[in-house]
Amino acid sequence: DQQVKQNSPSLSVQEGRISILNCDYTNSMFDYFLWYKKYPAEGPTFLISISSIKDKNEDGRFTVFLNKSAKHLSLHIVPSQPGDSAVYFCAASPYTNAGKSTFGDGTTLTVKP
Amino acid sequence: DTGVSQNPRHKITKRGQNVTFRCDPISEHNRLYWYRQTLGQGPEFLTYFQNEAQLEKSRLLSDRFSAERPKGSFSTLEIQRTEQGDSAMYLCASSLEADLNEKLFFGSGTQLSVL
Repeated sequence: DQQVKQNSPSLSVQEGRISILNCDYTNSMFDYFLWYKKYPAEGPTFLISISSIKDKNEDGRFTVFLNKSAKHLSLHIVPSQPGDSAVYFCAASPYTNAGKSTFGDGTTLTVKP
Repeated sequence: DTGVSQNPRHKITKRGQNVTFRCDPISEHNRLYWYRQTLGQGPEFLTYFQNEAQLEKSRLLSDRFSAERPKGSFSTLEIQRTEQGDSAMYLCASSLEADLNEKLFFGSGTQLSVL
C-alpha cells in the first residue's frame, strides 16, 4: 500500500510557463511534507517544505500548497526554467522525525526552451 | 565540508559476496539515515542513527544487512551474502535534529549491482 503517490510519472512544460506537480497521501499521521529535486547521478536535494499547520509556503519561484482535507499537496514552479528539468519527489513524515520520510515515486519534469 | 560523501560510487559484486558501503555525513549533523532506491521508485527508508545509536530499522532491512555508526560520525552499511534483489542505489543522508524544519541532505549514493 503506497502511502505517498505521485500519479504523473512525467510532465512537460514550456519555458516561462507554470509547472504544477501533484502528490497525494493516505496516512493521517503525516504532518510534515517536503519536496526534493534530483538530477541524474546525484542524490536528491531539498527544495521546499510545509507543515500541516500551514496551507501554503513560498520560496522564490517555488510554492507548495497543502490541502489537508483532501490529503493532497502540489508544487508550483513559476516561471519554469530549463534548469528545473529534473525528477521531483514528494515526501511525507511525522513531525517527530522529519528525516524518516516516505517518498513518492517521483515526477520527471522537462522544461522545454 | 562540502556535503554528504559516499564511497564507493559504484560496486559490482557476485551473488553471495559481502559488500560494505561508507557514508561521511555533514560534520555537525547528528542524525544519519540510510535509504534504498530502485529504478522508477522513490527512496525507501532503511535505518537511522542519532549520534552513535541506531534508533530504528525498517522491515525492509533483513538480517543480512547491518549498519553501524561507531563514533557518531561516519557510518557503514554492510550486506552479507548479497542477492540479485539487493541491486539498487543506496543513499545516505544526514540532518540536524535541532533544525525546526528538518530536511535531509543526501549523498550521491552507491550503486550496487549484484550479478
